[in-house]
Amino acid sequence: ETGVTQSPTHLIKTRGQQVTLRCSSQSGHNTVSWYQQALGQGPQFIFQYYREEENGRGNFPPRFSGLQFPNYSSELNVNALELDDSALYLCASTRRGYSGLDSYNEQFFGPGTRLTVL
Amino acid sequence: AQSVTQPDIHITVSEGASLELRCNYSYGATPYLFWYVQSPGQGLQLLLKYFSGDTLVQGIKGFEAEFKRSQSSFNLRKPSVHWSDAAEYFCAVGPPDSSYKLIFGSGTRLLVRP
Repeated sequence: ETGVTQSPTHLIKTRGQQVTLRCSSQSGHNTVSWYQQALGQGPQFIFQYYREEENGRGNFPPRFSGLQFPNYSSELNVNALELDDSALYLCASTRRGYSGLDSYNEQFFGPGTRLTVL
Repeated sequence: AQSVTQPDIHITVSEGASLELRCNYSYGATPYLFWYVQSPGQGLQLLLKYFSGDTLVQGIKGFEAEFKRSQSSFNLRKPSVHWSDAAEYFCAVGPPDSSYKLIFGSGTRLLVRP
């Protein structure tokens, strides 16, 4: 159990529509990243949000946008859906972990949202 | 360009046999290195990570990986595979700042023969 949840589990949309995917994590998870995983591929980094500001973006067009909220939830919005947007969308949140005097970031993935664009 | 290569799309091993999954990367600096496992319909679970120090890292479920800087490799190993290890395995690299902006390989699907 990672403590990261995503909704919905599955979603079917048609080309040209808009979609919003949601991710919820636990208190203290200050950073959230979104990934797109096409069938048979590894995940691709879309963008990352830290304290509600975008903090890095992969090679995705502006029609992919996001929001992060103070309650540790976030959204991925995709406008003007294309057939190639069909994929599993994963969110991953990061919190600070501690081991003795050392601190480090820990990242936890959600189960994903399967988006199908027809 | 930054990239991760997992040259084996599929690997089949017998239960109880040893396993090695290959991973090579191209990155400007020495990145942070990760191995993840994904079961069907599931998200990603971290098996192990390398940030610095000892180049042989131990992970969960009996997995280990060795970082070889000269070969830009981070191969995953397990001495004795169990049927429950059948899954997709992903190698990933990230910037050496633990921001977890990860670049993933295309994955290796592990099949386990009884």
